[in-house]
Amino acid sequence: DAEITQSPRHKITETGRQVTLACHQTWNHNNMFWYRQDLGHGLRLIHYSYGVHDTNKGEVSDGYSVSRSNTEDLPLTLESAASSQTSVYFCASSGPGLAGPEQYFGPGTRLTVT
Amino acid sequence: RKEVEQDPGPFNVPEGATVAFNCTYSNSASQSFFWYRQDCRKEPKLLMSVYSSGNEDGRFTAQLNRASQYISLLIRDSKLSDSATYLCVVSPSGGYNKLIFGAGTRLAVHP
Repeated sequence: DAEITQSPRHKITETGRQVTLACHQTWNHNNMFWYRQDLGHGLRLIHYSYGVHDTNKGEVSDGYSVSRSNTEDLPLTLESAASSQTSVYFCASSGPGLAGPEQYFGPGTRLTVT
Repeated sequence: RKEVEQDPGPFNVPEGATVAFNCTYSNSASQSFFWYRQDCRKEPKLLMSVYSSGNEDGRFTAQLNRASQYISLLIRDSKLSDSATYLCVVSPSGGYNKLIFGAGTRLAVHP
C-alpha cells in the first residue's frame, strides 16, 4: 500500500544546530508539503513543491529550506535551530480527488529545540 | 482576520447526540472544501470533501454556503470514537493544490 513516512519521529536538538527532517512518499504524487502545528495556530504551511526541482515558500518559511531531487522525497532543513521552531512537523503529499486536491499526511515529527 | 475560522470548542456531547460545527472562510474565490479529522497527537486525515450541493457519508453531513462563505459539518448519533478535533480546510483559487487549515474544533463525546 502507498504511504508517506517521516523520520525521525522525535528529535531533541540544541539551539544553533542544523537539523534535517525526512519525508518519503510512495504515492507517486508530484505535490508535497511541509507544515508545522502549534497550539492555537493550527497547521501552517512552511514550504511546498509541485515537482522535482520545484520549491516554494509558504507562510512561515523563514529559517527553513527544502530541496526536491526526486519525486518521493522532500527533506526539510532547519538551518540554525531556534527555540521558536519547537513544534510538531507534518509532511503531506497530494493527489487529485473528486472535489479537489486531497492531502495525505505523514505521522509527524515532534521536534524540541533546547 | 484568519482565512479560515472555526469555534475551537470544546463541544462536550453525550453519546447519541447530534452536533454541528460551522466554519467561515474569507476568500470568496475558494475552490474546494474539506473536513479533516485529527486525533490527539496524530496526523490529520481526510474525513470528507464538501460538494456545492451538500453531501452525506453515513452519520456525517457536510454543507457549503458560498453566498455566506461558510461550511458546516453535522454528526448524527455521536459515538465515543467521534471524539477528535475537526479541521475545516479550504483550497484557495490561486494555488490549486494548496490547502488552508482552520485551527480546528474539538469534540468530546461522553458516555
